[in-house]
Amino acid sequence: QKEVEQNSGPLSVPEGAIASLNCTYSDRGSQSFFWYRQYSGKSPELIMFIYSNGDKEDGRFTAQLNKASQYVSLLIRDSQPSDSATYLCAVLDSGGYQKVTFGTGTKLQVIP
Amino acid sequence: DGGITQSPKYLFRKEGQNVTLSCEQNLNHDAMYWYRQDPGQGLRLIYYSQIVNDFQKGDIAEGYSVSREKKESFPLTVTSAQKNPTAFYLCASWDRGMVEGYTFGSGTRLTVV
Repeated sequence: QKEVEQNSGPLSVPEGAIASLNCTYSDRGSQSFFWYRQYSGKSPELIMFIYSNGDKEDGRFTAQLNKASQYVSLLIRDSQPSDSATYLCAVLDSGGYQKVTFGTGTKLQVIP
Repeated sequence: DGGITQSPKYLFRKEGQNVTLSCEQNLNHDAMYWYRQDPGQGLRLIYYSQIVNDFQKGDIAEGYSVSREKKESFPLTVTSAQKNPTAFYLCASWDRGMVEGYTFGSGTRLTVV
């Protein structure tokens, strides 16, 4: 079974700091990777997607992908208390059925 | 506005009872999915459908059933065979031409009483 691994946290960072969230995956053929933010009791919302090796930046968020190491990360710069949530790493399976496997999520706490 | 509507938001099931969760989308997406989320856990795939009248089992299909009679609708039935159904259920859809991945509904929280 394809796996996506994340540290469950909680990861605590002070307001204004950089939060770094990491994810590894087992499906070597995967080509598309996603980061979702999920507030308690709510559905996940997409904040970043990436499919090329390297960095992709969008505002305060940077996604990093290293397919050789099967590693994806998310950096949040200038962390705000409103960033406190669970961040889910998700990987599109290579089997061709447009299925996504999710990690268990990392809980981020931004301390004011 | 286009989106996915899940209903009800909260659902209570008695022991031995079947219940059906509704998922309707007006995005004209071909593929639809059902995931289950337990507290502190990630999402686990129950069933998915890529076209009308066709669907496949996901990783945890036992105790669940689905139908896909219309492109817009993908209801999930939680049967009495599902021994631990208390969870947060999420419906999602995906347009094959999009790279951004899933659009999620707002979820249904099912509790066994």
